[in-house]
Amino acid sequence: QQQVKQSPQSLIVQKGGISIINCAYENTAFDYFPWYQQFPGKGPALLIAIRPDVSEKKEGRFTISFNKSAKQFSLHIMDSQPGDSATYFCAAGQGGKLIFGQGTELSVKP
Amino acid sequence: GAGVSQSPSNKVTEKGKDVELRCDPISGHTALYWYRQSLGQGLEFLIYFQGNSAPDKSGLPSDRFSAERTGGSVSTLTIQRTQQEDSAVYLCASSFSPNQPQHFGDGTRLSIL
Repeated sequence: QQQVKQSPQSLIVQKGGISIINCAYENTAFDYFPWYQQFPGKGPALLIAIRPDVSEKKEGRFTISFNKSAKQFSLHIMDSQPGDSATYFCAAGQGGKLIFGQGTELSVKP
Repeated sequence: GAGVSQSPSNKVTEKGKDVELRCDPISGHTALYWYRQSLGQGLEFLIYFQGNSAPDKSGLPSDRFSAERTGGSVSTLTIQRTQQEDSAVYLCASSFSPNQPQHFGDGTRLSIL
């Protein structure tokens, strides 16, 4: 079965610190790896995405690191802010359909 | 509006009733997706429409679930003979084409009494 495993389930970080969330996938046919941010009562919003032909992508304070051989990818949030407190989901896609991780609830303490 | 619009935002119904959930995708987006999010869980793929192709129904949990997309735009997800385990947030997303960024609506929160 296609699975995407995400860790940790919850994360507490001090303001200004680095938040790191990890995901692992099984199906080598996946060719699109997005990260989504979700606030309570809202739909997920795309943060950043990567394709397997690159090992790292950075947009502002958000960086994806991708390790194709290990079938792992991670999200790094630099200079974490209280406004970043939300649930983060990784996903893996192929041909349109996305398989999501179980989510990480991030809390950034002031 | 410019985003994906879903209605109703909340729906409460009795077990055994049928429900219809509506999704208006972003104009020009050819791909439309339905996902289900149970409390505290990740998103579970249900069904995917791309243009005039046959939809990918591989995620529908039972034959009580069906969806259609009329005129390549608006989509309706129908759940027949609802059960309590159907309670969840049903999310719709659209994208310009497959494997392009998917943009989500805020979902319909469905509660089965």
